[in-house]
Amino acid sequence: GAVVSQHPSRVICKSGTSVKIECRSLDFQATTMFWYRQFPKQSLMLMATSNEGSKATYEQGVEKDKFLINHASLTLSTLTVTSAHPEDSSFYICSASGRSGQDEQYFGPGTRLTVT
Amino acid sequence: AQTVTQSQPEMSVQEAETVTLSCTYDTSENNYYLFWYKQPPSRQMILVIRQEAYKQQNATENRFSVNFQKAAKSFSLKISDSQLGDTAMYFCAFNGAGSYQLTFGKGTKLSVIP
Repeated sequence: GAVVSQHPSRVICKSGTSVKIECRSLDFQATTMFWYRQFPKQSLMLMATSNEGSKATYEQGVEKDKFLINHASLTLSTLTVTSAHPEDSSFYICSASGRSGQDEQYFGPGTRLTVT
Repeated sequence: AQTVTQSQPEMSVQEAETVTLSCTYDTSENNYYLFWYKQPPSRQMILVIRQEAYKQQNATENRFSVNFQKAAKSFSLKISDSQLGDTAMYFCAFNGAGSYQLTFGKGTKLSVIP
C-alpha cells in the first residue's frame, strides 16, 4: 500500500519561533496533499488542500500567513507554523492523494507540536 | 455542504462478539464515496473499508462489513469476531465525487473488552 511519512513525529518549540513539518509520499506521486489538525479526543479538521506547483487552498478560519504550506514536488509538502503560540499546540496530520485528490487519501503518522 | 454524523461517542464490545457502529450523512449529490477509518492509540489513520455510492453491493473486508442504505443516507460498520487490536477511534468519512476533500464525523471510541 501507499506510504506517507511525516517528520518530525514530535516537536517542541518556544513561543514566537517557527517550525516546519514535512510530509512525504514514499512510493507514489501525490498530486494533492491535505493538512489536518486534530485536538485531543476530537475529529480531524481540514486546514488546507495543496496541489503540486500551485498555491494551497485554505479552509475558512485558517490563517494563511500563520500556516504556510508549500507543495513544491509530487512527493513533498511542508507546513510551516510561523510565530508559534501555545494555542497552536496540536496534532497535525497530512494525507496524500494520487489522482487529483479523488483517489483514496493515505495518511501520515502525524506530528505532535508543543509550543512552550 | 455535506455533514457526517456519528451518534455513538463511545461503545464497547466483548472480545469475539460483533459490534455495529452507526454513521449517517447528508448530501445532495448522487455520486460519492464513503469511508471508515480507524485511529488506534498510535494515532495513525488507517483505512478500514470504502464504499462507492453507485455500487449497490455492500463492501466487505475480512471481519469488517458495511450496511450502506443510500436512500436513508446511512453507512454503518459491522465488526465481527472483535479483537483486542480493534480498540480504536473509528471515523466515518464522506468524499463527494467532484470534491477533493474528506468530511469526517466526530468519531466513535470503540473498546474491545477481553
